[in-house]
Amino acid sequence: DTGVSQDPRHKITKRGQNVTFRCDPISEHNRLYWYRQTLGQGPEFLTYFQNEAQLEKSRLLSDRFSAERPKGSFSTLEIQRTEQGDSAMYLCASSSFGAGEQFFGPGTRLTVL
Amino acid sequence: SQQGEEDPQALSIQEGENATMNCSYKTSINNLQWYRQNSGRGLVHLILIRSNEREKHSGRLRVTLDTSKKSSSLLITASRAADTASYFCATESGGSNYKLTFGKGTLLTVNP
Repeated sequence: DTGVSQDPRHKITKRGQNVTFRCDPISEHNRLYWYRQTLGQGPEFLTYFQNEAQLEKSRLLSDRFSAERPKGSFSTLEIQRTEQGDSAMYLCASSSFGAGEQFFGPGTRLTVL
Repeated sequence: SQQGEEDPQALSIQEGENATMNCSYKTSINNLQWYRQNSGRGLVHLILIRSNEREKHSGRLRVTLDTSKKSSSLLITASRAADTASYFCATESGGSNYKLTFGKGTLLTVNP
């Protein structure tokens, strides 16, 4: 399967703990996006990478959130000192240059107790 | 913040009937896209319509775009039980670094 993959698929953590999610985009895609989706809502943009450069961050991304894309390949999203309000599905998507269509991974569902 | 608003929020139809979902948005766009989401396959891209296009077809899907009204519609013809899912419109706006702004979605249930 050469689609977008995310790991883990589910994460349960206690408030105050740090968590890290990984996203492997489609290999030839140079653009990578993170979105967050809560129940009953559409996905909301968090951040965007073109190759290894993080070009935009949403105001939703507080200083407890950090994302990286070393070498322009896989990406990680870390949440420090998790709060119950961070509970959501975290989606990763990738696209190729010039294409509007984004390919989404299955998501990581985070539950903060 | 959500840009698109889908209408209705939920729609229930019988297999074989057509389903129409509408989307309204607020700012000028480069393109508008429709995605489907169900628990089995996550978010899947269905169709993209550019701001200079008015109508587009793909299989059983027909999308229209009215930029003067800032609205779009998605028509699914001859629906099947497998079409049961949430449908989202998403807009890509000028200078947006290609990020998508999604609406809240329409939950479509197709009864066999």
